Amino acid sequence: EPEVTQTPSHQVTQMGQEVILRCVPISNHLYFYWYRQILGQKVEFLVSFYNNEISEKSEIFDDQFSVERPDGSNFTLKIRSTKLEDSAMYFCASSDSEGDQETQYFGPGTRLLVL
Amino acid sequence: DQQVKQNSPSLSVQEGRISILNCDYTNSMFDYFLWYKKYPAEGPTFLISISSIKDKNEDGRFTVFLNKSAKHLSLHIVPSQPGDSAVYFCAASRTDSWGKLQFGAGTQVVVTP
Repeated sequence: EPEVTQTPSHQVTQMGQEVILRCVPISNHLYFYWYRQILGQKVEFLVSFYNNEISEKSEIFDDQFSVERPDGSNFTLKIRSTKLEDSAMYFCASSDSEGDQETQYFGPGTRLLVL
Repeated sequence: DQQVKQNSPSLSVQEGRISILNCDYTNSMFDYFLWYKKYPAEGPTFLISISSIKDKNEDGRFTVFLNKSAKHLSLHIVPSQPGDSAVYFCAASRTDSWGKLQFGAGTQVVVTP
């Protein structure tokens, strides 16, 4: 069964450093998403991406964050100048191209710890 | 932002009995609702969804009910199995929001023998 994969599973970084979280969405999906879950809090939407453009982003997704689809398979989230409060689980998701109401399938997540 | 609420943080149910999980929402523009299950150290796994044009959707042991007038949905799991022990998230989206899912806080379900 196709699945979304994410690397690395864990990332530890120093405050102020840049990190890149990687995702391989399901191969025939064209809509991609990033969410995060801070420990003890809800899963929060960060950004949606379609046709090489951001479709929608939350207020969390400021200039510190960027997304890219560098090739036909990967979808990345870059966090510049990381802060302590960026520590969270980051989930990538993807959905099919057809229709407005599509189920999003999530990857296993990357646990980011900023020290 | 409390647009999707799951007011029960935990639920304990005996194996073989019914689990009923509840979710309330405040935004009447939501038109698609999903339930996800999550095990520790894993991503959310899709369970079942329902469009706002329906009031019930069933898939095997899982049934989701939607009451639009009350802005309430519920997930029924019958019969509950030990493997169902997980955190269950309710999520909602709007057609015009490019797939932005709003999640509830989750309900921890424990199925006891």
